Amino acid sequence: GENVEQHPSTLSVQEGDSAVIKCTYSDSASNYFPWYKQELGKRPQLIIDIRSNVGEKKDQRIAVTLNKTAKHFSLHITETQPEDSAVYFCAATSNTGNQFYFGTGTSLTVIP
Amino acid sequence: DVKVTQSSRYLVKRTGEKVFLECVQDMDHENMFWYRQDPGLGLRLIYFSYDVKMKEKGDIPEGYSVSREKKERFSLILESASTNQTSMYLCASSLSSRAEAFFGQGTRLTVV
Repeated sequence: GENVEQHPSTLSVQEGDSAVIKCTYSDSASNYFPWYKQELGKRPQLIIDIRSNVGEKKDQRIAVTLNKTAKHFSLHITETQPEDSAVYFCAATSNTGNQFYFGTGTSLTVIP
Repeated sequence: DVKVTQSSRYLVKRTGEKVFLECVQDMDHENMFWYRQDPGLGLRLIYFSYDVKMKEKGDIPEGYSVSREKKERFSLILESASTNQTSMYLCASSLSSRAEAFFGQGTRLTVV
C-alpha cells in the first residue's frame, strides 16, 4: 500500500515568516493530494488539495506544489499569522484505492 | 453544509466493556472511515466502508469491528475495551477517495 511521510513533525515560525511542510509518497498511482488543518480541539478540515495533472495550486496565502517525478508535495504558507497555528496533515490517494493515506502531521506554531 | 456527527464527545469505559461509537453523515456519501488519533502518530485508519454492509480493514483493525447497516451510519465497536484503546477517535465520510473527507468532531475515549 501507499506510505506517506511528513516532515517536520514540529515547526515554529515568527509571525509574518513563511512555513513549509513537506510530504513524500511511495505509490506512483497516487493522484490526489489533500492537506488538512486541525486546530486545537477541533476536527480536521480541508484547506487545499492538488491533483496530479497540475504542479502548483494557490489560494491566497497558502500554496501546494507537487513533483510527481520525485514523489513529493509541499504546503507553503506565506505571511503566517497566529491563527495559522495548528496541526497540518498531508494525504495521498488514488483512483484504485478507497482510502486516504495520511502523514503523521506537523504541529505549526506561529509566534506573535 | 456537510455534517458528520459522532454520538459522544467524551466517553469513559471500564476495561472489558463492549463499546459502541456511532457516526452519522447527512450527505449520502459512499465512503466512511474510522481513524484513531494519538500524539505523534497522526491519523491511523482502523476500518473503512465504501458501501452498505461492506467493510475493509485499515492499518490497525485489531480489537475493533465495524458495522454499516445503513448508508448514513457507520459504527465502531470495541469488543472488549482495553486501556491501550484510550484515544481520540475520528469518523469521516467522503463521496470518493478523490474528494474531500469531512470529519466528525471526535470522541475522546478513556478506558480505565
